[in-house]
Amino acid sequence: GAVVSQHPSWVICKSGTSVKIECRSLDFQATTMFWYRQFPKQSLMLMATSNEGSKATYEQGVEKDKFLINHASLTLSTLTVTSAHPEDSSFYICSASPVDYGYTFGSGTRLTVV
Amino acid sequence: GESVGLHLPTLSVQEGDNSIINCAYSNSASDYFIWYKQESGKGPQFIIDIRSNMDKRQGQRVTVLLNKTVKHLSLQIAATQPGDSAVYFCAATGGGNKLTFGTGTQLKVEL
Repeated sequence: GAVVSQHPSWVICKSGTSVKIECRSLDFQATTMFWYRQFPKQSLMLMATSNEGSKATYEQGVEKDKFLINHASLTLSTLTVTSAHPEDSSFYICSASPVDYGYTFGSGTRLTVV
Repeated sequence: GESVGLHLPTLSVQEGDNSIINCAYSNSASDYFIWYKQESGKGPQFIIDIRSNMDKRQGQRVTVLLNKTVKHLSLQIAATQPGDSAVYFCAATGGGNKLTFGTGTQLKVEL
């Protein structure tokens, strides 16, 4: 149990376009989900906390207008990278915390902006 | 804020030997700690966790030790196998529900 599904696993987009990444909890409800960003050979950095039915909480230095988060249901949170640029190329990972199961992570999305 | 660090960026061990990966944390209010394994191009995979009211927890071939006095955490892997090769992260919650990750240790298993 406690599976988090992330889609797509990889995406290539042109500069200036927007990309949406989905994070789903498959067998549990998640009122809170977390979005991380990871650059090559670096650790995971928390970008924002996604709250079902309310606004996301962004970490310091993360542009909320650039990284739009929507958590419209108890099983789905989406991250939209707007007006993407090459420096936004990264590995994006979501996670959720089912009760008594710690934190479960999605398989990640490799975004490449060309 | 929480700061979590690892002592060594790379650890090389012989197959069959035991591996010990260390981690230090800064927030004395941290009450929950997790070790993750991450293979290239994949999301973190849960290995083992421990709460601050414990100092040791064992799983299958893995043991986590917590020393709250010096704010130190370690992961021991017994009889290391080639499939254990990956980057290992420790993570901690600092009084809330947000996880802070350490910098990671690359474990390389030599045949």
